Amino acid sequence: QVQLRESGPGLVKPSQTLSLNCAVSGGSVNSGGYYWSWIRQRPGKGLDFLGYIYDTGTTYYNPSLKSRLTISIDTSRNQFSLKLTSVTAADTAVYYCARVVHRGDYEDLWGQGTLVTVS
Amino acid sequence: DIQMTQSPSSLSASVGDRVTITCRASQNIRNYLNWYQQKPGTAPQLLIFVASSLQSGVPSRFSGSGSGTDFTLTISSLQPDDFATYYCQQSYSTPRTFGQGTKLEIK
Repeated sequence: QVQLRESGPGLVKPSQTLSLNCAVSGGSVNSGGYYWSWIRQRPGKGLDFLGYIYDTGTTYYNPSLKSRLTISIDTSRNQFSLKLTSVTAADTAVYYCARVVHRGDYEDLWGQGTLVTVS
Repeated sequence: DIQMTQSPSSLSASVGDRVTITCRASQNIRNYLNWYQQKPGTAPQLLIFVASSLQSGVPSRFSGSGSGTDFTLTISSLQPDDFATYYCQQSYSTPRTFGQGTKLEIK
């Protein structure tokens, strides 16, 4: 079955760039009817939607992140990525990648999450 | 952004109880409301999508209802595996937003 797995540094220094990958296995990022998102969860807090990307490269970013966020997709490697610039301690969180069902726009499959600490 | 408000924020209940969690949207979201379950240290899992559709593999004791601004998640008979935190999410407009969560604990 389809699985998503996040990877990347667990520790990032303030003002630097946080970079994460999400590898998709058991399926393709080109699968019809789906697109791909990033969501984060600060320690002990709720869920924050960051943005999404289609296999065409079309993206949406949460305005709360202003111009700090970039999401990209590499269909040849079957993965998509997140870059968040100028990080602060407030960006410390578990970052999840997820698959989104286009008809309904809900996340039906999530990665296990990866904790990124800014310090 | 659409604000999602869940109530209660926490709830104590016993195995076998019927439990209802409420989610209210700050504006009409039609039926674009989804429910997730999250256990400590794990990713959220989809339970219900578009207000009342049960995700494949989710037990039938879970059900969802509502439209417009008011929605409910009902667990008909609590099982030990159901003690977790539950989140609602609106997918009517971007940015998609979540409720603050309802932590369901064992009484």
